[in-house]
Amino acid sequence: NAGVTQTPKFQVLKTGQSMTLQCAQDMNHNSMYWYRQDPGMGLRLIYYSASEGTTDKGEVPNGYNVSRLNKREFSLRLESAAPSQTSVYFCASCTLTGDYGYTFGSGTRLTVV
Amino acid sequence: RKEVEQDPGPFNVPEGATVAFNCTYSNSASQSFFWYRQDCRKEPKLLMSVYSSGNEDGRFTAQLNRASQYISLLIRDSKLSDSATYLCVVPNTGNQFYFGTGTSLTVIP
Repeated sequence: NAGVTQTPKFQVLKTGQSMTLQCAQDMNHNSMYWYRQDPGMGLRLIYYSASEGTTDKGEVPNGYNVSRLNKREFSLRLESAAPSQTSVYFCASCTLTGDYGYTFGSGTRLTVV
Repeated sequence: RKEVEQDPGPFNVPEGATVAFNCTYSNSASQSFFWYRQDCRKEPKLLMSVYSSGNEDGRFTAQLNRASQYISLLIRDSKLSDSATYLCVVPNTGNQFYFGTGTSLTVIP
């Protein structure tokens, strides 16, 4: 099925551990995004990639790095996890102009203890 | 003023009722807007887009008021399955979007 695939769906990390969240889309979208969603805060943009080979910071980039591996894949890395990074992470993609809105992955529930 | 603001609710309405949500935005240059639906512990899914004055899809109507800088979502004949959180989305510069914190709707039998 066409869409956005995120892995893993759930993860528990200890403070200081690192991990990479994977995201892939098969809709030939140019733009890809990583958001985090926290209660009462809504979705906040971490990083985005407007096109293959480019990445830019969003609203809350600190503590994260990203890689746009190719047009399909956009990964998010936590180098040294902190409890403040406990959240639900969503990957999304859209066409270059964004006229048709985002398609989201199913989310990753991350807990840092 | 935040880039986008929504009344968090919750809105509890009986089945068959009509309910409307508003969302205000700060960037007067914004052109395209979206309403997303998010079910509990699920990802947001696109419900409707709003490009000009409005858009209608069955029981759902989205309207844009540029003068007052708000968009609205009207749901007629509410169904139990309409219970969800509705997110308002407005564009930022380039290809980014701001998400509202969502309005919670519960349709009661």
